[in-house]
Amino acid sequence: DQQVKQNSPSLSVQEGRISILNCDYTNSMFDYFLWYKKYPAEGPTFLISISSIKDKNEDGRFTVFLNKSAKHLSLHIVPSQPGDSAVYFCAASVRGNNNDMRFGAGTRLTVKP
Amino acid sequence: KAGVTQTPRYLIKTRGQQVTLSCSPISGHRSVSWYQQTPGQGLQFLFEYFSETQRNKGNFPGRFSGRQFSNSRSEMNVSTLELGDSALYLCASKKVIGSLEQFFGPGTRLTVL
Repeated sequence: DQQVKQNSPSLSVQEGRISILNCDYTNSMFDYFLWYKKYPAEGPTFLISISSIKDKNEDGRFTVFLNKSAKHLSLHIVPSQPGDSAVYFCAASVRGNNNDMRFGAGTRLTVKP
Repeated sequence: KAGVTQTPRYLIKTRGQQVTLSCSPISGHRSVSWYQQTPGQGLQFLFEYFSETQRNKGNFPGRFSGRQFSNSRSEMNVSTLELGDSALYLCASKKVIGSLEQFFGPGTRLTVL
């Protein structure tokens, strides 16, 4: 039961351009959404999050947008840098049950110099 | 402050065997969660332990079990290994059970032959 889906397994962009990573979810009970970044041989690290009461959260080059009616969120990276090349996971937590976080399958981003 | 550590980092087993993986959380963190990462499936939640008690469990067969010790270290055991158990097993620690902020270890890569 894949409640969080990242339909693009990979994305390649040129350095300096915008990277847009997408994520869809099916469970309307999710109330908090997170993006994690993972480099090879390392565990995922937290990148940015958004609460369901907001539709946008920005942190430097990273912005997450949430469209609750479409059950869709996206991560924008502007401008993209080669060091951003990694696998990005979106995750969602269920209202009242933050202990059980659901992750998407991940999108491998490659930023070409 | 030392991060989450997992041992061993790599493991090769054969079908039918059992395996035990270990996770030491960040000092002061009392919650440990385990995830299985496979290509195309992303991170799938296995279970969470807090104060030596399993607090939440994902949708995995009973062959997957775990425990937590009084020092918050956790072990995960998989019995009667199957080829499909080959994956990266990640553990994550949190300070308190309700926290959304979790820190991942580098994972244990299990290969079942």
